[in-house]
Amino acid sequence: DAKTTQPPSMDCAEGRAANLPCNHSTISGNEYVYWYRQIHSQGPQYIIHGLKNNETNEMASLIITEDRKSSTLILPHATLRDTAVYYCIVRVAMNDMRFGAGTRLTVKP
Amino acid sequence: GAVVSQHPSRVICKSGTSVKIECRSLDFQATTMFWYRQFPKQSLMLMATSNEGSKATYEQGVEKDKFLINHASLTLSTLTVTSAHPEDSSFYICSASALRGRHYNEQFFGPGTRLTVL
Repeated sequence: DAKTTQPPSMDCAEGRAANLPCNHSTISGNEYVYWYRQIHSQGPQYIIHGLKNNETNEMASLIITEDRKSSTLILPHATLRDTAVYYCIVRVAMNDMRFGAGTRLTVKP
Repeated sequence: GAVVSQHPSRVICKSGTSVKIECRSLDFQATTMFWYRQFPKQSLMLMATSNEGSKATYEQGVEKDKFLINHASLTLSTLTVTSAHPEDSSFYICSASALRGRHYNEQFFGPGTRLTVL
């Protein structure tokens, strides 16, 4: 009963922007959108989260549509080290984090 | 961000033995900790949620008598896999969240523990 839908895989050229989409059409008003990534055999790494407004930090930007039914994670200048599985998660504050299948992003030279 | 550690990072044990995995929040008090399991090429599956000082809440299909969780302090939770069998071989990951303070509403993950049962 995943709450989000992501493409299973994407490729991106090194140095270009990587735009990872996520559909969360059943999101509730009090649910946040979180993005994590997991590099092989490591724990998930927090990237960014937001509620309604677009957010930017040193790692990425998060664009949430006005109806909040979808979002896009943007890595502005992808590097080879950004190759990972990216997870989009919707979550009520302080509740558990449930992972879907994620998107396997491969950054190519 | 805050740091969550796990120990050991890798463990190999014989079938029938018990294995304890520790999860520590190093620079914040974790009122809630979560335990996940991840099989190869699959996503993380939530096993249980533990709040400091109370019994853990297990997800459907997770045997509480096999996966013992203790959350005795605000910085430490342990997962004990009792009478481990080869099918318990997996990557176990913990995460921690804080009810208050500057890390409120964030969840931080440990680096994971690779368990191999022979």
